[in-house]
Amino acid sequence: GAVVSQHPSWVICKSGTSVKIECRSLDFQATTMFWYRQFPKQSLMLMATSNEGSKATYEQGVEKDKFLINHASLTLSTLTVTSAHPEDSSFYICSASRTSGSIMGTDTQYFGPGTRLTVL
Amino acid sequence: GENVEQHPSTLSVQEGDSAVIKCTYSDSASNYFPWYKQELGKRPQLIIDIRSNVGEKKDQRIAVTLNKTAKHFSLHITETQPEDSAVYFCAAGRGSTLGRLYFGRGTQLTVWP
Repeated sequence: GAVVSQHPSWVICKSGTSVKIECRSLDFQATTMFWYRQFPKQSLMLMATSNEGSKATYEQGVEKDKFLINHASLTLSTLTVTSAHPEDSSFYICSASRTSGSIMGTDTQYFGPGTRLTVL
Repeated sequence: GENVEQHPSTLSVQEGDSAVIKCTYSDSASNYFPWYKQELGKRPQLIIDIRSNVGEKKDQRIAVTLNKTAKHFSLHITETQPEDSAVYFCAAGRGSTLGRLYFGRGTQLTVWP
């Protein structure tokens, strides 16, 4: 259990276009989903936290109008990179949070396989 | 916000030896510390985690220790095997901020046969 999928796995687009990435929890309902960005050989940088039915919470320095997040259901969150530019090229990876039953409050995060975005 | 430091950035060991990766964190309110393994081109996989109500946790060849007073935690891998080669990330988080995790910069572990 705890499988997270992402679609597409890779995408190449022209500068100025918008790209939508989907993140799905396949066998559980995710209380929260997270979006990360990972540059080659670097760490995962948290971009935003997504909760079903409410606005996403963005980390400092992340443009909310640039990276639109929609959490339509307990199993689907989407990230849209609007007016993409070459500097937006990166590996985007989502995670879904599953309640572990711990009283400590922080749920276990399971990662999707990631989406490689290349903007020409 | 939380700041997680991870050392070393690269680690090479001989098969059968032990490997230790260390992390420190800045937010004393953090109470959850997972470790992820990421092989090249693949997703991060949770390998072990520890919560602040315990000081040590072990799962076969993998163990994690936590020192809340000093705000540091470590991953210990014993009897390393070539298939342990990967990038390992530590992370820290707290439930009061919707479970957000902040990651260290990663350690590239190479196990030589």
